[in-house]
Amino acid sequence: EAAVTQSPRNKVTVTGGNVTLSCRQTNSHNYMYWYRQDTGHGLRLIHYSYGAGNLQIGDVPDGYKATRTTQEDFFLLLELASPSQTSLYFCASSQAVYEQYFGPGTRLTVL
Amino acid sequence: GDKVKQSPSALSLQEGTNSALRCNFSIAATTVQWFLQNPRGSLINLFYLVPGTKENGRLKSAFDSKESYSTLHIRDAQLEDSGTYFCAAENYNQGKLIFGQGTKLSIKP
Repeated sequence: EAAVTQSPRNKVTVTGGNVTLSCRQTNSHNYMYWYRQDTGHGLRLIHYSYGAGNLQIGDVPDGYKATRTTQEDFFLLLELASPSQTSLYFCASSQAVYEQYFGPGTRLTVL
Repeated sequence: GDKVKQSPSALSLQEGTNSALRCNFSIAATTVQWFLQNPRGSLINLFYLVPGTKENGRLKSAFDSKESYSTLHIRDAQLEDSGTYFCAAENYNQGKLIFGQGTKLSIKP
């Protein structure tokens, strides 16, 4: 079974703050994804990656950077956090375009 | 407009009854995935579908790519089936999913 972990699980920062969310998967999946979940919007794709060093732009990328350092690790960076980025963030992984497996989520609050 | 539209948005059922959830697509969906977000917030894979049907215990799902819809049937609903069900479609091998807004299902004893 896919194992996807995220850290931190909860984060509070202030407007203008610098935040890094981490995701690690241990199933040798090549694809990894970052989503945000907000009431009324379901899950929306921020960035995704086909493999180490690769980055693809998702559907709501503004205000976010991402980096895939290894097969296992995918990071989401908020360099100037804003209250509109308060959300529940999920990481997921998959082998090619098959089933996606999700991490437990990170709840981010920007004050 | 919504590329993946789920219905109903919310549903309340008595334990032991059956239900059907639906997703309609306005994109050329090639595969569909169904997930359950349980009350703790975890997203659990239910089905990965190419056109056709799959069954797993009390759950059965179908995907018709020509008519652009997918369904999820829950038989003999149990309390642990409560949560929000999401469908998501992959658009023509783009390597990413587009999610619907979810159906919130409440099972009452």
